[in-house]
Amino acid sequence: GDSVTQMEGPVTLSEEAFLTINCTYTATGYPSLFWYVQYPGEGLQLLLKATKADDKGSNKGFEATYRKETTSFHLEKGSVQVSDSAVYFCALSDSGGGADGLTFGKGTHLIIQP
Amino acid sequence: GAGVSQSPSNKVTEKGKDVELRCDPISGHTALYWYRQSLGQGLEFLIYFQGNSAPDKSGLPSDRFSAERTGGSVSTLTIQRTQQEDSAVYLCASSLARNSPETQYFGPGTRLLVL
Repeated sequence: GDSVTQMEGPVTLSEEAFLTINCTYTATGYPSLFWYVQYPGEGLQLLLKATKADDKGSNKGFEATYRKETTSFHLEKGSVQVSDSAVYFCALSDSGGGADGLTFGKGTHLIIQP
Repeated sequence: GAGVSQSPSNKVTEKGKDVELRCDPISGHTALYWYRQSLGQGLEFLIYFQGNSAPDKSGLPSDRFSAERTGGSVSTLTIQRTQQEDSAVYLCASSLARNSPETQYFGPGTRLLVL
């Protein structure tokens, strides 16, 4: 079945550091890939998405590129801020494999220190 | 209207009691999804509706769980004879349509605690 694997947290960085959160996936079809973010006390919000290979999703300074050859969708940001502290979830939607709903990774807790 | 809304926001119940969780999707969204977020299992997909129909209920954890949707809008997730392992945050999401990589918009969740 489909699965998403992302790096375990918590990840602690200093403000203005470079961020990478790794995400790899397995899917039976041709998935769309997503990063969702959950800020403290808030609900899940879509951060960015990519629907086909080599697409790059970007939002709020975050980027992720859909790499079919490595089945990856790593999240990056050049200079993190304290306000980026949150839990980040990588997810896929497999439109070709008959799966319904999103398959999520377990989440990466990011802590940015001033 | 605004985003997806869920009620109640928090629910504490005793083991063995039934609970009903409500989700009000974004107006015009035909697809509706239920997920469960727990410490041990992360985010699990439970069930989806296209309109009022739920074609696949295999994601529901047990036969104590049921869900329905009426009028293509509000959905309720019912848990009968609750157990302590049902304690989790239950999330609802909606999207414009299912048969495309449409973005799912999530509600704030209902935090369920079974004592």
